[in-house]
Amino acid sequence: QKEVEQNSGPLSVPEGAIASLNCTYSDRVSQSFFWYRQYSGKSPELIMSIYSNGDKEDGRFTAQLNKASQYVSLLIRDSQPSDSATYLCAVATGSYGQNFVFGPGTRLSVLP
Amino acid sequence: GAVVSQHPSRVICKSGTSVKIECRSLDFQATTMFWYRQFPKKSLMLMATSNEGSKATYEQGVEKDKFLINHASLTLSTLTVTSAHPEDSSFYICSARDRVAASTDTQYFGPGTRLTVL
Repeated sequence: QKEVEQNSGPLSVPEGAIASLNCTYSDRVSQSFFWYRQYSGKSPELIMSIYSNGDKEDGRFTAQLNKASQYVSLLIRDSQPSDSATYLCAVATGSYGQNFVFGPGTRLSVLP
Repeated sequence: GAVVSQHPSRVICKSGTSVKIECRSLDFQATTMFWYRQFPKKSLMLMATSNEGSKATYEQGVEKDKFLINHASLTLSTLTVTSAHPEDSSFYICSARDRVAASTDTQYFGPGTRLTVL
């Protein structure tokens, strides 16, 4: 069974700090990795996608992928109260990435 | 780009009635659309995968006769909850995959439909 695991949290960080969110996955042939943010009562919105080992930066967000360790993370620099949300890790597997598995999400709380 | 709409955003209905939810990709063609259900404080649960012009593939435990999915065009998929009961009350979210985008496995989500069955 393909699994994606995340710490459920809540993860609390002070405003301005770096928030570090972690995700592990079980399927070694996974090809594509995504981070979504979901505010309470809203649908998920895509933050980052990453396909190759290493770091990918977009503004205050940095995704890190280590396929050997089956690990993907999301760093949020200069955390703001508006970053408080649930962050979902998603992994796509299959020949065309057709199998999309979400983790349970990590709830982040940024304290002013 | 990559905008997905859902209609209605909220619906309240009586037990035993059927409810149709529409999911549209507004600025791209979606080869595949997905339907998810989410209960409060729980993660997304994939219900079914819908490919344009073919029958939907349902996840284990999801009743295909209760949750009817139609994907008649590359921009529209519908989910009909038939004979709804209070336990069907949930947040239903669709997502779509862009047919021609380089990252063909990225899913873009609609805003969701909150269904309450009385």
